Amino acid sequence: QSALTQPPSASGSLGQSVTISCTGTRSDVGAYNYVAWYQHLPGKVPKLMIYEVSKRPSGVPDRFSGSKSGYTASLTVSGLQAEDEADYFCSSYAGSRYAGSKIVLFGGGTRLTVL
Amino acid sequence: EVQLVESGGGLVQPGGSLTLSCAASGISFTTAWLTWVRQAPGKGLEWLGRIKSDGTTDYAAPVKGRFTISRDDSRNTVFLQMNSLKIEDTAIYSCITGFCIGATCHWDDAFDKWGQGTMVTVSS
Repeated sequence: QSALTQPPSASGSLGQSVTISCTGTRSDVGAYNYVAWYQHLPGKVPKLMIYEVSKRPSGVPDRFSGSKSGYTASLTVSGLQAEDEADYFCSSYAGSRYAGSKIVLFGGGTRLTVL
Repeated sequence: EVQLVESGGGLVQPGGSLTLSCAASGISFTTAWLTWVRQAPGKGLEWLGRIKSDGTTDYAAPVKGRFTISRDDSRNTVFLQMNSLKIEDTAIYSCITGFCIGATCHWDDAFDKWGQGTMVTVSS
């Protein structure tokens, strides 16, 4: 199964909003409401920002929001701040003919630049 | 403090074997599901497989039959045994896990605990 598709880059100015997409298929993003988003800074482990499409873990600013429509999930960062500059990647449950249970697919990642 | 610490990586020849370990601390290990992922140079993350708290496992197609995940709850450690290694298995290997909120657990759909990873290089 192929990875989820994300744009390689995105950018926005300080204070603006930016949306990053994560496109899958009817077997993954389209089938399950278990999409998560991660922020990955250089030299650090990924940080969970969104789970179950739109839920924020404790401590994640409400500037970060998630949504899903059809086969595409989206992460929106509002009120961009300099510290938001990072790589963001998504994940989703997926059905599999090979595994007994659901597997997990990851997106290739999007480099967010804050201008 | 929650920690997942991988070890066991290194250089191995094609066709060889290697076993990675992931030692966990600060989590309720016996109830946790642990997942192994990898990231090859210049590539995105790839899910390899999971082991549930009851020991049942699932694997991704590229590694099914070659990789085996096991756990030792007495040592709070999960293992990834890798056989018949190929050059394309070269990657950083990490163990990850999720969390519970009340009675609802997100062990393998949302990962809030990540190890730093261990590098595996398959080369002759």
